[in-house]
Amino acid sequence: GENVEQHPSTLSVQEGDSAVIKCTYSDSASNYFPWYKQELGKRPQLIIDIRSNVGEKKDQRIAVTLNKTAKHFSLHITETQPEDSAVYFCAASPNSGYALNFGKGTSLLVTP
Amino acid sequence: DADVTQTPRNRITKTGKRIMLECSQTKGHDRMYWYRQDPGLGLRLIYYSFDVKDINKGEISDGYSVSRQAQAKFSLSLESAIPNQTALYFCATTSGSALYNEQFFGPGTRLTVL
Repeated sequence: GENVEQHPSTLSVQEGDSAVIKCTYSDSASNYFPWYKQELGKRPQLIIDIRSNVGEKKDQRIAVTLNKTAKHFSLHITETQPEDSAVYFCAASPNSGYALNFGKGTSLLVTP
Repeated sequence: DADVTQTPRNRITKTGKRIMLECSQTKGHDRMYWYRQDPGLGLRLIYYSFDVKDINKGEISDGYSVSRQAQAKFSLSLESAIPNQTALYFCATTSGSALYNEQFFGPGTRLTVL
């Protein structure tokens, strides 16, 4: 089955800096890669996703890149703010609508 | 998301007890999932269902069972709870018909098995 590795497990940055979280996956059939943000005590919520026919996608301060040949994808947050502090999960799936295989999460702390 | 609800939100039970966690959704989605979250382990899939007559095991189904009573309802049961089933449980839903399918999560059920 699919195995998704996520690094780092914790990340601390200063407000205004950029944060990068990286994930690798094992199943070449995976072609849907969402990222979820989970604030303390809350449910995971989708922040951005990308499909395998796209190499990069951007939404304001958030971007995701995908290298399907190398089987890795990354989340980039620019101009970080304290409210970006949360746990971020990457996931992979053979298609959207299918069950997701999650990474173990990255706890991001943005300090003022 | 208020359209996906879970009951109970918190539950403390004892080893050996049978317990049921319930999930309901008003989104009209056909696909429903149960995940378990443990600190440092992320979210792991327990069971999923693509429609009322479809039930599939996930990565960690041992010790769990599910029932899809209707399109909108998907229940998770622990037949004989054990302490290592103490975790945060999330239900999620998505549509199988749309091209892009965000999974919407319920608020979670925090289960403690003593």
